[in-house]
Parts: sequence; C-alpha cells; structure tokens
Amino acid sequence: LAKTTQPISMDSYEGQEVNITCSHNNIATNDYITWYQQFPSQGPRFIIQGYKTKVTNEVASLFIPADRKSSTLSLPRVSLSDTAVYYCLVGDVRGYGGSQGNLIFGKGTKLSVKP
Amino acid sequence: GAVVSQHPSWVICKSGTSVKIECRSLDFQATTMFWYRQFPKQSLMLMATSNEGSKATYEQGVEKDKFLINHASLTLSTLTVTSAHPEDSSFYICSAWRGTKQETQYFGPGTRLLVL
Repeated sequence: LAKTTQPISMDSYEGQEVNITCSHNNIATNDYITWYQQFPSQGPRFIIQGYKTKVTNEVASLFIPADRKSSTLSLPRVSLSDTAVYYCLVGDVRGYGGSQGNLIFGKGTKLSVKP
Repeated sequence: GAVVSQHPSWVICKSGTSVKIECRSLDFQATTMFWYRQFPKQSLMLMATSNEGSKATYEQGVEKDKFLINHASLTLSTLTVTSAHPEDSSFYICSAWRGTKQETQYFGPGTRLLVL
C-alpha cells in the first residue's frame, strides 16, 4: 500500500518558490509519482508526473531522490491563483483499484498564497 | 488534448429518485474510467473502476446496486445513483486513462449532487 504523507497546509507569498514534499516509503517498482492541483468544486488538474530523478515542465518541477521514498513538487514564483490543494498520488494506474493500494489520494496540502 | 467532461455539472433531486451522471473523454479513447466521490474538505475517495464492455470493480464499502456504472464505449461511462438519499449528496468526479504505462489519469470537472 503506497500510502503518502504530505503537510496539511503551507503558506507562502507571491513571487516565492514553494516546495511541497511527499513521503511514500513503500513505493513499488512500477509506481509513478503524480501531482495534482485542485481548486474548490473542481476536478483535480494534472501538474506533473515522474518516476525518478528530476522532471520539469512549464509549470513545475518534480524532484525524486534515488531511493524514491519521497518526492518534492517545486512551484517557481507562485501567484495568488496558485492557492489550492495539492495532491501527491503514487501508484501504477495499470494496477488500478484501491484494494491494491493504488489510486489512493492522501489528504493533500492546502497551499495559501498571500499578497 | 486529454479533456474529460461531465454532465451535469450540478444536480438537485428529491430523495428516492435516481440520478445519472455522464463522463466523457472528448479527444481520446479511455481504456479505463474511474469514479471518485469527495465530501466537503475531504480528499477524493475512489468508488469504482470501469473498463469498456466489462463490469465495474467497486471499492470496499461502495454498494454496487446503489451506484450503477455503465461503460458503454471507450469515450463514455455513466454513474447512476439509484434511490438517492441526502447522505449521497457529494461531489462526484470521474477520470479517464488512455491505457499506456506512462499515461496519467485525466479528471473531469466534477458533478455536484444535492439530494433533498
């Protein structure tokens, strides 16, 4: 069961870099690490996905150490519109189903960006 | 690409009635679709997984006779809440997966259900 642990909440100011770390000590070999952003009353939005090392796209970077037991989502220069809940999801979509420990959402991290 | 839609976006119904929610992958074919439920200030909870042409797999504690799932095609899955009661009021979200290893699941915008 690839359970994830994230901080419940984080505060930041506009223009700062925000790093949110997720712990997943029993990640399996086939598991990918995916981060989603969710605004109130909306479905989660895909941010970034990775398997190992570093992944970067136009909105974020994902750092994964060699042991893959944790991952860090990095949001550069956040703005007020980045205020949302961020979820780290660890699993292999092919092995779908909560009974297999995949696709289980943790509690997420509520990021509040202040002016 | 990878757009998932849901219809309706919100629905209010009387207790005892049935409500159908549609989930469509607009620009890709989805091997698998997932249904989640989210209560206020809580995380998403997986309800069931459905593959086109197969019976859905329900998570423990989810009543399959109450939450009927039909995955009629590679672009459409429906969730029917039968004999809805106020405790079924929630935010229902679907997601779709293309079927490749590296591909993530893409989520719909959600459907807010209020049962009076």
